[in-house]
Amino acid sequence: KAGVTQTPRYLIKTRGQQVTLSCSPISGHRSVSWYQQTPGQGLQFLFEYFSETQRNKGNFPGRFSGRQFSNSRSEMNVSTLELGDSALYLCASSLGPLLQGMNTEAFFGQGTRLTVV
Amino acid sequence: KQEVTQIPAALSVPEGENLVLNCSFTDSAIYNLQWFRQDPGKGLTSLLLIQSSQREQTSGRLNASLDKSSGRSTLYIAASQPGDSATYLCAAPAGGTSYGKLTFGQGTILTVHP
Repeated sequence: KAGVTQTPRYLIKTRGQQVTLSCSPISGHRSVSWYQQTPGQGLQFLFEYFSETQRNKGNFPGRFSGRQFSNSRSEMNVSTLELGDSALYLCASSLGPLLQGMNTEAFFGQGTRLTVV
Repeated sequence: KQEVTQIPAALSVPEGENLVLNCSFTDSAIYNLQWFRQDPGKGLTSLLLIQSSQREQTSGRLNASLDKSSGRSTLYIAASQPGDSATYLCAAPAGGTSYGKLTFGQGTILTVHP
């Protein structure tokens, strides 16, 4: 059974550009969450999608957006890139939404390393 | 708001030692807690999902316990090996109706030397 697949694995972009990252969840999983990981801030929640609907959003500027398709694949987009957006972006999939009260295990992909120069 | 803390931040041990990693959380109304491993530059690998009704969960040389009343979880690694060197993260649901959000600790960097 294939795991969570993130593409591309590495990206180098210039300030001001935009970027799109892709995440294919485990087959049958309908929830996809995105996280940003940096050495200083650790893992920070970006947003979560379930059945093509964004159900939760973290404390990030509007330059960060995402969407989920009918096959549960998800994309996140960052516009007008800044140097501080350099990070490892991780996607997690689960059967259902990771909601308090639901014992749902999260599985992560290998991440996309974004470097903004 | 859920806050998760991990102690120690780093740990260096000789091969063969048994060791304990600690995780504490502020919102004790959790139904589960998950432990992950992360190798440098890689994604997170799920190690154990422990449910509050279980109190303990085991996988090979790993054993995780959960004590909601004290707001603590521990990950016990038996007979450590150099291949266990990695960052270990614990994560708990954010709480309330916060869909999809796991709150992570800062991690424990484990080094097992031969």
